[in-house]
Amino acid sequence: QVQLVESGGGVVQPGTSLRLSCAASGFIFRSYGMHWVRQAPGKGLEWVALIPYDGTNKYYADSVKGRFTISRDNSENTLYLQMNSLRAEDTAVYFCAKDSILAAQSPHYFDSWGQGTLVTVSS
Amino acid sequence: DIQMTQSPSTLSASVGDRVTITCRASQSINSWLAWYQQKPGKAPKLLIYEASILQSGVPSRFSGSGSGTEFTLTISSLQPDDFATYYCQQYNSYSPTFGQGTKVEIK
Repeated sequence: QVQLVESGGGVVQPGTSLRLSCAASGFIFRSYGMHWVRQAPGKGLEWVALIPYDGTNKYYADSVKGRFTISRDNSENTLYLQMNSLRAEDTAVYFCAKDSILAAQSPHYFDSWGQGTLVTVSS
Repeated sequence: DIQMTQSPSTLSASVGDRVTITCRASQSINSWLAWYQQKPGKAPKLLIYEASILQSGVPSRFSGSGSGTEFTLTISSLQPDDFATYYCQQYNSYSPTFGQGTKVEIK
């Protein structure tokens, strides 16, 4: 069965950086696009970024563009999110999620999710 | 970005009730809409995709309909396990967006 396990969250100060990881198993990781979706405390879901199966043409929400970088290592079945210049409004649980469509270059719906990792940006 | 608006924001219902949640898109998204269920402290769970296709393993009391800009999620007979928050999500653009959520509470 598909398993996605996020790690790397924590408490950081505004302006600093953090890298999240998502270890994937149970499916052919290199064949699917992967996303990061976040949820601020008590709030709704916000899509953050997509990386297609082959790592090309990455897409970002306007709220993180230029500060966050999504990447993947298909040899290690791992997804990453490098977060720079963190702000208080980036405080959220960050979920990695698997795109539903094989070898797609555009986003679709998310058919598997990790349990999330909490990032708190506070001075 | 395409804006997704759900109504109501909160819904109070009893076990056995028929429940309907509406999701409206700010522009046509064809049938590129998914519904998710989320319980406190848990990841969202996919219920329906392409507006009306039930994800494998999801009970048949859940159904979805609509196209263009207006969509509905219906629970035909609410069960105790269904008390949760529900989100719609469009995937018609390169920037997927979610509705703000509908919390289904016990009446």
